[in-house]
Amino acid sequence: NAGVTQTPKFRILKIGQSMTLQCTQDMNHNYMYWYRQDPGMGLKLIYYSVGAGITDKGEVPNGYNVSRSTTEDFPLRLELAAPSQTSVYFCASSTNTGELFFGEGSRLTVL
Amino acid sequence: KQEVTQIPAALSVPEGENLVLNCSFTDSAIYNLQWFRQDPGKGLTSLLLIQSSQREQTSGRLNASLDKSSGRSTLYIAASQPGDSATYLCAAVTGNQFYFGTGTSLTVIP
Repeated sequence: NAGVTQTPKFRILKIGQSMTLQCTQDMNHNYMYWYRQDPGMGLKLIYYSVGAGITDKGEVPNGYNVSRSTTEDFPLRLELAAPSQTSVYFCASSTNTGELFFGEGSRLTVL
Repeated sequence: KQEVTQIPAALSVPEGENLVLNCSFTDSAIYNLQWFRQDPGKGLTSLLLIQSSQREQTSGRLNASLDKSSGRSTLYIAASQPGDSATYLCAAVTGNQFYFGTGTSLTVIP
């Protein structure tokens, strides 16, 4: 049971570089989410998707982009990385009855 | 907007003690309430899901209750063990959005 798989687990970027965090789930969930978690700040929603081809902004979307071409994949793109994007990023998917499952996280440092 | 609060932020107890973690939410029109566990450097693992029509759910030594009218959920851990040391987060589900508390960091002392 793979569940929600995120890659890479760790990445160091220089200011101004771009990268994509990959997320895939094998549970056929329609709903997928990207969160960032900063110490003492809780989880903040970046983007979410209710199905293939449909995405919407969350609480902190600036500096990020997403796409959802298939049910399984929901990549998060960081353009022009900034130190403020140093964080731990979590991808999650949920059932139609609202149970949420998380990936292991991707720890990003921007220097 | 739904706001979720978890108090206390940190808790330290001796092994074997029973304990209660609290979760409060401001909008009672929730769909579900879900409890998670997070170990340092790891992702969130689902512990219990309580649907809005339910009052409680149990899994082993864990029992979660839900009182929508008062905007509260509690997670009861019986006979705590050092392996229970982790951060516990709750999430209130409204529509297709999950609203998280900032968690309670639990340390169980052997």
